[in-house]
Amino acid sequence: EAGVVQSPRYKIIEKKQPVAFWCNPISGHNTLYWYRQNLGQGPELLIRYENEEAVDDSQLPKDRFSAERLKGVDSTLKIQPAELGDSAVYLCASSSGQGYPGELFFGEGSRLTVL
Amino acid sequence: AQTVTQSQPEMSVQEAETVTLSCTYDTSESDYYLFWYKQPPSRQMILVIRQEAYKQQNATENRFSVNFQKAAKSFSLKISDSQLGDAAMYFCAYRRTGGNTGKLIFGQGTTLQVKP
Repeated sequence: EAGVVQSPRYKIIEKKQPVAFWCNPISGHNTLYWYRQNLGQGPELLIRYENEEAVDDSQLPKDRFSAERLKGVDSTLKIQPAELGDSAVYLCASSSGQGYPGELFFGEGSRLTVL
Repeated sequence: AQTVTQSQPEMSVQEAETVTLSCTYDTSESDYYLFWYKQPPSRQMILVIRQEAYKQQNATENRFSVNFQKAAKSFSLKISDSQLGDAAMYFCAYRRTGGNTGKLIFGQGTTLQVKP
């Protein structure tokens, strides 16, 4: 079974440029999460989707961040314009309604460096 | 709001020895889940072990075990017979039960170094 796939793995951009990250969750997982992990810190939730619906986006900086999950499968997280403080690893995770509650499966992350 | 605290930024252990990573949390809930996740360098985070708060028995998964002290809100991870492959960043995480929330709240992490 394929795991959570993210791309790109690494991205370096100048500040004020746009950037987008893509996530393909595990097949059949209806819940998708985007977390941001600053260097040396634990991940913090940005947004959570149940199918196509964003059910928790309270931590998403909506002035510059946007996300979508079309058809309840793949998801894209966009930053426009990027700021120096956005440098971090962006983690995508997915979970299903079955199995152990709370077990999230993570992708390898997309490491963003803003210069 | 729930919080998770890991007070040890770095730990080291000799190969084949035992090490304990500490975690405390704060919540007003009586039922919840606790997890330890492992994040190797540039690799994805994977679940190591989990504990339901209503269970008094400490969870065990092969060389990994926890010491869950509900009253003290403490959830430590013990790694026995440490191996080089155990070197990683370890995160303690909390999730409430019930409701429509699958959000995991993570601690700051502990970097574990295993010395040969």
